[in-house]
This record gives sequence, structure tokens and C-alpha cells, in this order.
Amino acid sequence: KQEVTQIPAALSVPEGENLVLNCSFTDSAIYNLQWFRQDPGKGLTSLLLIQSSQREQTSGRLNASLDKSSGRSTLYIAASQPGDSATYLCAVFFTGGGNKLTFGTGTQLKVEL
Amino acid sequence: DGGITQSPKYLFRKEGQNVTLSCEQNLNHDAMYWYRQDPGQGLRLIYYSQIVNDFQKGDIAEGYSVSREKKESFPLTVTSAQKNPTAFYLCASSIAGGEQFFGPGTRLTVL
Repeated sequence: KQEVTQIPAALSVPEGENLVLNCSFTDSAIYNLQWFRQDPGKGLTSLLLIQSSQREQTSGRLNASLDKSSGRSTLYIAASQPGDSATYLCAVFFTGGGNKLTFGTGTQLKVEL
Repeated sequence: DGGITQSPKYLFRKEGQNVTLSCEQNLNHDAMYWYRQDPGQGLRLIYYSQIVNDFQKGDIAEGYSVSREKKESFPLTVTSAQKNPTAFYLCASSIAGGEQFFGPGTRLTVL
């Protein structure tokens, strides 16, 4: 079964800290992987999309990496700010998975002053 | 201003009623999706459409129906057959196999 797992479910860090969010997936045959941010009661905001052929993508203070062989992706957030507080979701488009994204349950991040 | 709109933001349904959630996009995307989000669970796919006049069931299609008569619109009907419809519903669109973009969501509550 194709599954996506995110650990930990919740994380609290002091402002200014660099942090890493983890995503693991059970099948290395993927088309792409996408990281999202969700604020309470809101829709999802796309942060980064990594294609299967890529190893990483960067946008501002965010860097996402992809290692298909180990079934892992990480989202690195540099110099965290209170405004980064949100739930971060990882989603995988598995090859042969029916033209859909499979989502993890997310990591709830709190950045404290 | 390109994007995805969903309406209404909040919806209340009495037991036995059908209700329809609206999703519109002006991104010229061929693919559109409906997800359901419940506390503590990941997003689950209800239905998706890769092209006008065609759609496929997702993982939890029972009790729901959709139509795709226009490229920019993908309405979702929650029927009385859906036994536990209280949830947050999210619509998304993309080019085929590409980055998905989401609307702001509709929160449905059964009274």
C-alpha cells in the first residue's frame, strides 16, 4: 500500500532556530512530491514541488530535498519566525497511483518568541 | 487575479438533505480534485476529473457526486447517503500531474 508518513506530529521551536521536517513514503516509484502549508481553518498553500528527477528545490528560507531510494523527503526552514507557525503537509504523486496525491497527516509547527 | 474559489465558506445541512459545494478556477487547469479533511487525518480524495465531461472516484466517493460540464467548474454534491458529512472540504486544480493549487475550503456541518 502506498503511504506517506510525517513525524513528529507536532514540533515547538524558539524563534531563529533552523529546523527540519521529515516525510517518508513507502514506494520509490514517484512522479513528484509536494510540500504544503496550512493555517488553521484555511486551504493549503503550495510551498515547493520536487519532480522525480530532482534532488532538491529552494524558495527563500525553504529548502526541500528528495531521496527516492530511501523513500524520504525533508523540508528545511532557515531562521524560523513566528509567522512560520502552521501545519506542514507532504504529499506524493505515486507512479501508477491513480493520478492523485497521497497526503501525510502533517507536522504542526509552533515557533515561539 | 488567478486562483480557485470555493463557496460557501460555511454550510449547514439538515439530516436527509443534499447540498452542493461550488468550486471554480480561472487557472485554465484541466484537472480538478475534491478532498475531505477530518481532524487528525490526512486529506482524503473524494473525486477527481482530468478533463471536461469525465471524472473518477477517489478513495471515499460513497455518498458524494460530481459533474464536470465546464473546464472551470467542478461542483460537489453531498447526498443524504453520506452518513458522516461533517468535515472541511477542499477543492484543488492542476495541469496534468503537476503542482496542485487549493481553494480556501468549505466547512460543512450537519445539524
